[in-house]
Amino acid sequence: GAVVSQHPSWVICKSGTSVKIECRSLDFQATTMFWYRQFPKQSLMLMATSNEGSKATYEQGVEKDKFLINHASLTLSTLTVTSAHPEDSSFYICSASRKSGFTDTQYFGPGTRLTVL
Amino acid sequence: DQQVKQNSPSLSVQEGRISILNCDYTNSMFDYFLWYKKYPAEGPTFLISISSIKDKNEDGRFTVFLNKSAKHLSLHIVPSQPGDSAVYFCAASGGGSQGNLIFGKGTKLSVKP
Repeated sequence: GAVVSQHPSWVICKSGTSVKIECRSLDFQATTMFWYRQFPKQSLMLMATSNEGSKATYEQGVEKDKFLINHASLTLSTLTVTSAHPEDSSFYICSASRKSGFTDTQYFGPGTRLTVL
Repeated sequence: DQQVKQNSPSLSVQEGRISILNCDYTNSMFDYFLWYKKYPAEGPTFLISISSIKDKNEDGRFTVFLNKSAKHLSLHIVPSQPGDSAVYFCAASGGGSQGNLIFGKGTKLSVKP
């Protein structure tokens, strides 16, 4: 159990276009989903926390108008990179939180490699 | 300011031996710690976790030890296998972070046959 999928797994787009990435929890309902990005040889950096039915909470330095997050249901969250530029090229990973006892464990998707030309 | 630190970027171990991956944290409010394993171009895979009320948690070949006074945790893998070769991330949550995980930079483990 606790499978999280992401789609697409990789995408190449032209500068100025928008890209949508989907994150789904396949076998459990996740009240909270998280979006991370990872640059080469760096740690995962939290971008935003997404709760179903409410606005996402963005980390400091992350532009909410550029990285639009929608958490439409308990199993789906989407990240839209608007007007993408080459510096947005990165590995984007989502996670979904599942409660286990008194704690929450995050289960990660396989990631999406975004390359902006 | 890094709240979760993995000071060893890499570790090389012989197959069958013990692998010990270390992690230090600075925020005494963290109350839940996790280890994830990650292969290149894939998302992290949850391995094992420990609550701050415990000092040890074991799951098969994986054991996590927590020393709260030293703000230190470690992951022991024994015996190490070549398939364990990956990057291991330590993560912590709590202290009002609402479940957000703070990750270390990772340690690349290489298990040699």
